[in-house]
Amino acid sequence: DTGVSQNPRHKITKRGQNVTFRCDPISEHNRLYWYRQTLGQGPEFLTYFQNEAQLEKSRLLSDRFSAERPKGSFSTLEIQRTEQGDSAMYLCASSEEGVGTEAFFGQGTRLTVV
Amino acid sequence: GNSVTQMEGPVTLSEEAFLTINCTYTATGYPSLFWYVQYPGEGLQLLLKATKADDKGSNKGFEATYRKETTSFHLEKGSVQVSDSAVYFCALSGSSGNTPLVFGKGTRLSVIA
Repeated sequence: DTGVSQNPRHKITKRGQNVTFRCDPISEHNRLYWYRQTLGQGPEFLTYFQNEAQLEKSRLLSDRFSAERPKGSFSTLEIQRTEQGDSAMYLCASSEEGVGTEAFFGQGTRLTVV
Repeated sequence: GNSVTQMEGPVTLSEEAFLTINCTYTATGYPSLFWYVQYPGEGLQLLLKATKADDKGSNKGFEATYRKETTSFHLEKGSVQVSDSAVYFCALSGSSGNTPLVFGKGTRLSVIA
């Protein structure tokens, strides 16, 4: 397995456009997480899935953000009507179920909204 | 809710110096505690973890002990190397195993030769 893969690695978009990011987790992991990281901050939780079910969504997550994980495999994160404040690194991670299990992170998608 | 507070950086040390990065947490029950590291140009990776009180996690010469009485999980290394220069994140996950990781803000470490 090549680990968690995220595409694209970089995305520049104009304000108001929609963007979609993809995450391919480690194949045997049933949990998948999305985080956002801005400069000088730790990763901030956005949402997570167990198989295809979205189990938790951050209260801070705007309704312009939506995530899916059809068939419990890859996941997509869509941001509609992007704003400059959405500029950040978007991280995906996957893990097995259980207490204290390690989350494996992808290299992230860097979004710049101009 | 769960939260993590870690020592703010940046921290600059000479090679072979002793390193401590403080981390304290707020959580109910017995969370699992982690240190993740982000080397320049790379993704986050697990450095070490501890899942119950008094456990010590260790890896690559780094150690951290889960102290329930002080709600702390301080990271230590006896002799740092230039290759340890990175950003270090303390994190926790809830005791049920059903909550995602909550991260601190990170501490940037620079080690100079």
